[in-house]
Amino acid sequence: DQQVKQNSPSLSVQEGRISILNCDYTNSMFDYFLWYKKYPAEGPTFLISISSIKDKNEDGRFTVFLNKSAKHLSLHIVPSQPGDSAVYFCAAVLPMDSNYQLIWGAGTKLIIKP
Amino acid sequence: DAGITQSPRYKITETGRQVTLMCHQTWSHSYMFWYRQDLGHGLRLIYYSAAADITDKGEVPDGYVVSRSKTENFPLTLESATRSQTSVYFCASSEASPSSYNSPLHFGNGTRLTVT
Repeated sequence: DQQVKQNSPSLSVQEGRISILNCDYTNSMFDYFLWYKKYPAEGPTFLISISSIKDKNEDGRFTVFLNKSAKHLSLHIVPSQPGDSAVYFCAAVLPMDSNYQLIWGAGTKLIIKP
Repeated sequence: DAGITQSPRYKITETGRQVTLMCHQTWSHSYMFWYRQDLGHGLRLIYYSAAADITDKGEVPDGYVVSRSKTENFPLTLESATRSQTSVYFCASSEASPSSYNSPLHFGNGTRLTVT
């Protein structure tokens, strides 16, 4: 039973346009959410996070939106750049959970076209 | 260089063999983790450690053993490798529990393990 789902395995976006990556979750107890970015042959790197008490967090070109009623979050990248081509993972954290720490989605591969 | 390093980067082994994947971090982070990544799955936690000599199971611990005698090292051993353990393995560390806000994980570059 996947608690965190990224339903789009891949996404192709023109350079300069907006990229929107989506993530759905099933557990309303998740405390906060993170996005990680992964290049081939490298480990994931932390990108941005959002607490469940907020509905938006912004960091430069990256904005994460959280819709708790829909159990949905999205990552917006504006404008998209070639270096944004990577796999993006959504992850969720249960409060005071000591076993699983982070629950990860399967990832979405973002391709930025020139 | 500060960071987290995994070795080897690539490993091919035979079914039934014991193999150890190494992980070393220079930040003196308390928490360390082992994940595996398989196609169609997110990262799945194998084992984690909150401090030296403290380890605990994650989501998929069967067939794996860990130890943490020193803060900076967290080796992962497959006692008798099986084909289902063919995967990419990532080691990670964090300063505090990832349940703490603003304590993201820092990952190594992974070890690609193939069991034939």
